[in-house]
Amino acid sequence: DGGITQSPKYLFRKEGQNVTLSCEQNLNHDAMYWYRQDPGQGLRLIYYSQIVNDFQKGDIAEGYSVSREKKESFPLTVTSAQKNPTAFYLCASSIVGSTDTQYFGPGTRLTVL
Amino acid sequence: RKEVEQDPGPFNVPEGATVAFNCTYSNSASQSFFWYRQDCRKEPKLLMSVYSSGNEDGRFTAQLNRASQYISLLIRDSKLSDSATYLCVVNPAGGYNKLIFGAGTRLAVHP
Repeated sequence: DGGITQSPKYLFRKEGQNVTLSCEQNLNHDAMYWYRQDPGQGLRLIYYSQIVNDFQKGDIAEGYSVSREKKESFPLTVTSAQKNPTAFYLCASSIVGSTDTQYFGPGTRLTVL
Repeated sequence: RKEVEQDPGPFNVPEGATVAFNCTYSNSASQSFFWYRQDCRKEPKLLMSVYSSGNEDGRFTAQLNRASQYISLLIRDSKLSDSATYLCVVNPAGGYNKLIFGAGTRLAVHP
């Protein structure tokens, strides 16, 4: 089955700790994205990557970092510099292009204790 | 002004009702438009793309009015399983596939 997987589904972290969220896709998509969703708000773009070894900041990149060493994988690290990290994190992928839609993984719900 | 605005709802309707959601977008150069459905605590899933001439998929009809920068989604004969949040999504003009998401309109269909 082709798709996007994210792990873990739920993650708890103590303040001051970095944590890495996994995102893997086997759709052969070049582009991958990370979004954050807070209650009552639309998804906001954190980082995106259109090709291996290249990525760009989205609208809310502060306190986050990413890597894209393989086409299939786009992990997101939430650093201790992120002031309000508790949120629902969604990874997506797409064929590179201006009109194609994006397909989402099941998400990771991060809670900072 | 938000780039994509939606009435948050909730819309509470009985089974069998027809319900319409509206969405406005601020960038007049926007290229493509979508409706996504998101169930509680799940990921968004593409419901349908929205084409300039309007398009229909079963009980769902999407319309686009570029002059008014307005998108709509009509659901006929509502089912209990239609209960979800509907996200209006816009791809503005640009060099990459950036999507702008509305905050969503919540629909609750009751027996």
